[in-house]
Amino acid sequence: DSGVTQTPKHLITATGQRVTLRCSPRSGDLSVYWYQQSLDQGLQFLIHYYNGEERAKGNILERFSAQQFPDLHSELNLSSLELGDSALYFCASSVAASGGSNEQFFGPGTRLTVL
Amino acid sequence: AQKVTQAQTEISVVEKEDVTLDCVYETRDTTYYLFWYKQPPSGELVFLIRRNSFDEQNEISGRYSWNFQKSTSSFNFTITASQVVDSAVYFCALSHKAAGNKLTFGGGTRVLVKP
Repeated sequence: DSGVTQTPKHLITATGQRVTLRCSPRSGDLSVYWYQQSLDQGLQFLIHYYNGEERAKGNILERFSAQQFPDLHSELNLSSLELGDSALYFCASSVAASGGSNEQFFGPGTRLTVL
Repeated sequence: AQKVTQAQTEISVVEKEDVTLDCVYETRDTTYYLFWYKQPPSGELVFLIRRNSFDEQNEISGRYSWNFQKSTSSFNFTITASQVVDSAVYFCALSHKAAGNKLTFGGGTRVLVKP
C-alpha cells in the first residue's frame, strides 16, 4: 500500500459525459501528479500540482482539468468524454515540488470506461 | 526532449531463471534521475528504485540488481532466480531537474515467470 488513495476504482460512463476522479496523497506529500495509461499511448504525464498550485502540464487535453485543494487532495475532471478517453488514470504523490529526484508513489488507479 | 526505450515488450522465463530488462534513455540534461516501477496484474505501480546521474554504482536489493552505465545511456534491471510473483510489467522512467518531477516512462516490459 503506497498510502495514495484514489476513488472510484472503476467508472463506466457514456460519451459526452463528465466525470471527476479523486486522489488523496500520502501524508506529508505536497505534490500530486496525474498520469494516463492507455494501450496506444502508454503511461503519459498529464499535470502536476504542488501545494495547490499548478506546476507543470503534459499531454493533457483541453477537455480535462484538475485542481488541488487546501487539504491537498486533488481532482481530475474529464468532460465531453470520448471513447478514446478510456484508460487507467493514476495519481501519484511526492514530497517536493521540483528537482526530479523524489520518487513518486502511485495510487491504485481509476479505470475509466467510456461506452 | 526526453525519451525512454524498453525494446523488450515481453519476456517469458521458467522459475529460477535470471531475467534482464533493458532500458535505454535519451536526455540532454546532465542532472537526471532514473527509476524502475513494477506493475503487477492487480494494476498498481510500485516504486522499485531511483538512481541519479552522478551515481553510477550498481545496486543490489535482494534478488534485484541494477546496472547503470552513462556511457551507453542504459539502466538495466536484473531479477535473479525469478519467481512466479515476479510476473508483472516493469517500467523504466526518467526525470530531469529542468522539467521538475515529471516522469517519462518507457513502454514497459512484460515478464512472465512460469512455474
